[in-house]
Amino acid sequence: SQQGEEDPQALSIQEGENATMNCSYKTSINNLQWYRQNSGRGLVHLILIRSNEREKHSGRLRVTLDTSKKSSSLLITASRAADTASYFCATPGQGAQKLVFGQGTRLTINP
Amino acid sequence: GAVVSQHPSRVICKSGTSVKIECRSLDFQATTMFWYRQFPKQSLMLMATSNEGSKATYEQGVEKDKFLINHASLTLSTLTVTSAHPEDSSFYICSARDRSSGRTSSFYEQYFGPGTRLTVT
Repeated sequence: SQQGEEDPQALSIQEGENATMNCSYKTSINNLQWYRQNSGRGLVHLILIRSNEREKHSGRLRVTLDTSKKSSSLLITASRAADTASYFCATPGQGAQKLVFGQGTRLTINP
Repeated sequence: GAVVSQHPSRVICKSGTSVKIECRSLDFQATTMFWYRQFPKQSLMLMATSNEGSKATYEQGVEKDKFLINHASLTLSTLTVTSAHPEDSSFYICSARDRSSGRTSSFYEQYFGPGTRLTVT
């Protein structure tokens, strides 16, 4: 079952602009992850944020987590054409090893 | 980094035939692998959890007799789509967890294969 709801479903911006994607979830979690998927490819792990963390950075990526609102955001700064991909949030499912993915945001960076 | 491969990357088969997809962890051992299905422009849906040396655990609504999973070694899991039909056409992705990783964050992280595009005609 899908736990994560992401918005927007699709986002198109100009190269150099910042892109923000949001994810909401329903149950209590101990961590949340973000993945990227290029068209027709597998997923690449971007970042994991734990429930006791509010913000985490990795290069041009900034992830926030608000456990009171059950939501997370992924910000990509100074976007590049190569950032064009789908981005998914993922939370632990029933059973510690499972991941439940959000619907994803399709990000298009226009040169 | 941990690498997971899938073979084949693309396969076209006729309706009624069976197709086997392999998922391998190349540089680590994986006691647990996961099989997902993804329809165009949609998210990944977990089909089953594959455990080395034991039966797979299927998600609700997934037919275990149609999607046969075998995890015979710590580096290989296979998914066989039996008696495939056009509605089985999809992108199948596997992932694996590294059983020996000592890095805390990777306890939760799954390493994904590049996916297999199945088209049933």
